[in-house]
Amino acid sequence: AQTVTQSQPEMSVQEAETVTLSCTYDTSESNYYLFWYKQPPSRQMILVIRQEAYKQQNATENRFSVNFQKAAKSFSLKISDSQLGDTAMYFCAFINTGNQFYFGTGTSLTVIP
Amino acid sequence: GAVVSQHPSRVICKSGTSVKIECRSLDFQATTMFWYRQFPKKSLMLMATSNEGSKATYEQGVEKDKFLINHASLTLSTLTVTSAHPEDSSFYICSASVPAGREQYFGPGTRLTVT
Repeated sequence: AQTVTQSQPEMSVQEAETVTLSCTYDTSESNYYLFWYKQPPSRQMILVIRQEAYKQQNATENRFSVNFQKAAKSFSLKISDSQLGDTAMYFCAFINTGNQFYFGTGTSLTVIP
Repeated sequence: GAVVSQHPSRVICKSGTSVKIECRSLDFQATTMFWYRQFPKKSLMLMATSNEGSKATYEQGVEKDKFLINHASLTLSTLTVTSAHPEDSSFYICSASVPAGREQYFGPGTRLTVT
């Protein structure tokens, strides 16, 4: 079975500081995609960053970067220079070659001014 | 690019009536659309996967006769909640997938309240 685990239900960070959200997954496949989505209070799901499993280089998008450890099946999200607008639920997601999408349970991040 | 709209954003209906929610991909063609239900402070629960021109695939435990899904075109999928009951009150979210990158793009969601 394929699962996605986010072990931090809630986190907080001071504005301008850096925070890392953890995500682990379980799969027997070698080719897949991983994503981080953000859901702010408006509840609109927004794609933050994506990583293709066959790419060793960690994806980055401005202040957002990932630490992808394929052997450990770990996919953490680092947010640098945290801003108040980063306050949201963050979901880690995995999609396999069969196009089956799996979401983690989410991490509620609060940026403190 | 990759914008998904959803209509209505909020709907209140009486118990026993049916409600239709529309999901549109505005600037791309979506061969596959997904319907999710989200409870407060919980993750998204996949209800069904909808492919254009074919019957939707429902997840275990989701009643296909109660949650009717139609994907008539590459840009439109609809979810009809039939004979709604208060326990159907929830936040419903659709998404459309982009085959090349595999990611899903989400609509803004519909808040359904059944009184």
